[in-house]
Amino acid sequence: NAGVTQTPKFQVLKTGQSMTLQCAQDMNHNSMYWYRQDPGMGLRLIYYSASEGTTDKGEVPNGYNVSRLNKREFSLRLESAAPSQTSVYFCASSPDRVSNEQYFGPGTRLTVT
Amino acid sequence: KQEVTQIPAALSVPEGENLVLNCSFTDSAIYNLQWFRQDPGKGLTSLLLIQSSQREQTSGRLNASLDKSSGRSTLYIAASQPGDSATYLCAVRPGNNNAGNMLTFGGGTRLMVKP
Repeated sequence: NAGVTQTPKFQVLKTGQSMTLQCAQDMNHNSMYWYRQDPGMGLRLIYYSASEGTTDKGEVPNGYNVSRLNKREFSLRLESAAPSQTSVYFCASSPDRVSNEQYFGPGTRLTVT
Repeated sequence: KQEVTQIPAALSVPEGENLVLNCSFTDSAIYNLQWFRQDPGKGLTSLLLIQSSQREQTSGRLNASLDKSSGRSTLYIAASQPGDSATYLCAVRPGNNNAGNMLTFGGGTRLMVKP
């Protein structure tokens, strides 16, 4: 039982490049989330998926797109990376949208130059 | 818009001290509040969750309190150990059920416990 896994662990992009961050969970959870963490600012929600087939914007969705590929996988895409998107990205999952506990992946550290 | 603040941003204490971490939030209409631990380069691990109707929760050497009316929570760590060194984050869940499980996080307190 791996929990929540994220790939890659580290990535460096040039401004304007695109990439997709992958997230998968093996806990049969319905809800999944993408956060970004910037120094001193805690985590901010980018997008979430309450259940397979649905996605909704969080607090900071601009510049990102998401895909809930199936129940296990939730990907985050940067179409045209900008230096302001340099951050650590965390994926999380929870049994459902009303469950109290979220389980977090180890994060992806992204640098955009 | 809910804002969550944690003070201090960093704290260094000698081993064995009892310490208190603070969390404040601007909108008292919360569903619950959680304290998380984050180790360097790792994800978050949930420590304690306090429902809006509760005043405190305890787990081992950790005790979290909640004063919803004043918008404050504290995390008390007894007899601190070097292994407690980490960043501690608090997060609130809104009371509006339409918001689902969207958490608002504070900026965290980076704790170092020196042997």
